[in-house]
Amino acid sequence: GQQLNQSPQSMFIQEGEDVSMNCTSSSIFNTWLWYKQDPGEGPVLLIALYKAGELTSNGRLTAQFGITRKDSFLNISASIPSDVGIYFCAGAPSTSGTYKYIFGTGTRLKVLA
Amino acid sequence: SQTIHQWPATLVQPVGSPLSLECTVEGTSNPNLYWYRQAAGRGLQLLFYSVGIGQISSEVPQNLSASRPQDRQFILSSKKLLLSDSGFYLCAWNRERLNGYTFGSGTRLTVV
Repeated sequence: GQQLNQSPQSMFIQEGEDVSMNCTSSSIFNTWLWYKQDPGEGPVLLIALYKAGELTSNGRLTAQFGITRKDSFLNISASIPSDVGIYFCAGAPSTSGTYKYIFGTGTRLKVLA
Repeated sequence: SQTIHQWPATLVQPVGSPLSLECTVEGTSNPNLYWYRQAAGRGLQLLFYSVGIGQISSEVPQNLSASRPQDRQFILSSKKLLLSDSGFYLCAWNRERLNGYTFGSGTRLTVV
């Protein structure tokens, strides 16, 4: 099925560093979501974005809905060891008349203490 | 508050055996329900979704089927498992069309 292009695929960073990841699509999306998945667990919703240009924060996390509606960005400031996990973006295409989200392939984050 | 329960957490089944994974949602009514599969190190693939009792939509042809016998119950089944059915299966729900999903804790299925 269709998937979003998410980058980077993985990253190793030092504790305290800032992290940036992004998601792009060839289609226009109405909604962008960012999830985090810990090993062996289901993904947990971090941030939801509903309007082009919207910038939303959740603690040290900030996400933006791209103005073209074809991309989204997630930033993590001052990373800590518990930020380790897989981050997924998900989007709802504007042409979708149903309830389905398309997921990115994930960014695997590893934080070095 | 709403909660989603998924079981079992892990399952090891022989090739050719049947499968039944169950998902229930509490604290809401008429949820949209979804089954996703996640292969090792990969993204999430939508398998089935349901917008009401007895209403099942299949996203990809496969060896699996889904049923929704009650409003808040979603079941994933197979009559004969294949090795390729191994993976991490996630149930999810939402209410409104564009609300984000809430996922269950997943079932790790290994077919041997």
